[in-house]
Amino acid sequence: GDSVTQMEGPVTLSEEAFLTINCTYTATGYPSLFWYVQYPGEGLQLLLKATKADDKGSNKGFEATYRKETTSFHLEKGSVQVSDSAVYFCALGRRANSKLTFGKGITLSVRP
Amino acid sequence: DVKVTQSSRYLVKRTGEKVFLECVQDMDHENMFWYRQDPGLGLRLIYFSYDVKMKEKGDIPEGYSVSREKKERFSLILESASTNQTSMYLCASSLNQRNEQFFGPGTRLTVL
Repeated sequence: GDSVTQMEGPVTLSEEAFLTINCTYTATGYPSLFWYVQYPGEGLQLLLKATKADDKGSNKGFEATYRKETTSFHLEKGSVQVSDSAVYFCALGRRANSKLTFGKGITLSVRP
Repeated sequence: DVKVTQSSRYLVKRTGEKVFLECVQDMDHENMFWYRQDPGLGLRLIYFSYDVKMKEKGDIPEGYSVSREKKERFSLILESASTNQTSMYLCASSLNQRNEQFFGPGTRLTVL
């Protein structure tokens, strides 16, 4: 079955540091890939998505590229801010059944 | 914007009580989902519904039931709450055959 693996956390960075959060998936065919973010005390919100191989999703300075050859969808940001402190979830979806498979999430803390 | 609301942000119940968690969405989405979120385990799907009165079990349905009498409302029921059901519960909705899910703020349930 489908699965998503995220790097172990938590991650602590200084403001303006470069961020990479790794995500790999196991799935047949061509799923869609997502990054969701959960700020403290809130529900999840969609950060970015990619629906086919080599697509790049981007939002709020974050980027991720759908790499089918390495089955990866790593999240990157060139310069993190304190306000980026949150939990980040990688997810995989299939249009046929509308369900999402989530990774375990990783907590990012950015210090001033 | 899609809005998904949940009836309570925090709830404290006693072991053995019957607990109702309510979720309402205002964008006419066909699909609605209930997840629980636990540290180190990420999001796990409890139940989902793809139409009024239709439901499917997710990955961890034991100890839970659901009700969807109207399109906009999806209820999660704990027939007899137990301490191992202490968790954050998240509701989400999506359009049919679309993977982008919209989440509510969550209900943190504590069972004593």
